[in-house]
Amino acid sequence: QQQVKQSPQSLIVQKGGISIINCAYENTAFDYFPWYQQFPGKGPALLIAIRPDVSEKKEGRFTISFNKSAKQFSLHIMDSQPGDSATYFCAARRPDKLIFGTGTRLQVFP
Amino acid sequence: DGGITQSPKYLFRKEGQNVTLSCEQNLNHDAMYWYRQDPGQGLRLIYYSQIVNDFQKGDIAEGYSVSREKKESFPLTVTSAQKNPTAFYLCASSIQRDSYEQYFGPGTRLTVT
Repeated sequence: QQQVKQSPQSLIVQKGGISIINCAYENTAFDYFPWYQQFPGKGPALLIAIRPDVSEKKEGRFTISFNKSAKQFSLHIMDSQPGDSATYFCAARRPDKLIFGTGTRLQVFP
Repeated sequence: DGGITQSPKYLFRKEGQNVTLSCEQNLNHDAMYWYRQDPGQGLRLIYYSQIVNDFQKGDIAEGYSVSREKKESFPLTVTSAQKNPTAFYLCASSIQRDSYEQYFGPGTRLTVT
């Protein structure tokens, strides 16, 4: 059963624009929320992660916003670049494993 | 040069044959994982292992088997019982079982005809 819902499935953004990907979860036992980035033909790689007691975390052009009461979190990519074109997965950590969202394919056009 | 190696990158098999996918890591990580990736379904956990000689079923273990005889190796066998084996398979490892940072290999694309 899907415990982390991710949207949209695909996203097209102009260079310089803001890309926003949303995730929602149900299980309050999750204790860490990472985002992974995957380029075509490669394995995913950790991009950024946030704890549920923090409302926002920023690393360069990438920001996670976390809303604990709504059980939602989102990834914002500021000044999106063609090199950001990839598939992005949100995830939530249980004690024994990560639960991944279904992924968002981001395409940034010049 | 530390990391996770999966081989081969592309694999083709006839229906009814078992096939074993290789995964090796030199990161000295305790935990290893196998995921299956299909379009629109994200990453689904097949099996995971927290220590040598121990492994647990993930969410879609039917038709798959694994072994963990060495810390650095976690091979996955796709058996003929797996109804839809054609997929992209990813191996990952983490320093310990509850780490949120998993390191992924480059994947193996398996095609069964």
